[in-house]
Amino acid sequence: SQQGEEDPQALSIQEGENATMNCSYKTSINNLQWYRQNSGRGLVHLILIRSNEREKHSGRLRVTLDTSKKSSSLLITASRAADTASYFCATDAGGEGSNFGNEKLTFGTGTRLTIIP
Amino acid sequence: DAGVTQSPTHLIKTRGQQVTLRCSPKSGHDTVSWYQQALGQGPQFIFQYYEEEERQRGNFPDRFSGHQFPNYSSELNVNALLLGDSALYLCASSTTWDTLYEQYFGPGTRLTVT
Repeated sequence: SQQGEEDPQALSIQEGENATMNCSYKTSINNLQWYRQNSGRGLVHLILIRSNEREKHSGRLRVTLDTSKKSSSLLITASRAADTASYFCATDAGGEGSNFGNEKLTFGTGTRLTIIP
Repeated sequence: DAGVTQSPTHLIKTRGQQVTLRCSPKSGHDTVSWYQQALGQGPQFIFQYYEEEERQRGNFPDRFSGHQFPNYSSELNVNALLLGDSALYLCASSTTWDTLYEQYFGPGTRLTVT
């Protein structure tokens, strides 16, 4: 079963605008990761945020995490046509006491982002 | 440095048949996970292999089985195929020594069951 949901399910914006996607999850997590998928192909890892972090940046990406609300957001600034893809959040629920990284990932349902040139 | 590779790229099978999918992990990785992604959905965890043993398993029937070889490559086997098994099958590799917890995904195998 899916861990959570992304919101919105689909998003279309003009090139140059910012895109914000949200993710909610249900259980306690070790970390949360965002992935990009182009045209039903493999997943590309974008960014990881640990459960004790609140915000993280990587290039044009900004991720926030609110563990009290069990939610995360991904902001892509100054969007480009090449950003058109599906975006998934995935939680790693290794949990307390887990000393084995890279536990199974539980994915949300994804946001399909379309950048209009 | 080759990333995660999967074969074949596409596969068409008939209901009731058996299929084997293959995955070679990224160089230096010792853990392989398999995911099933139905059309329009997020990937769902099938199982994970480490040291040639199944370490974790998701909510999939016994028709789904796997194997990891000494060189860390892995196979996913599905018996008695059902129409509902049609999906993109993704392999991800990682290493137990990576505290960044990043998993690297292959391009996937598209399985169509008719």
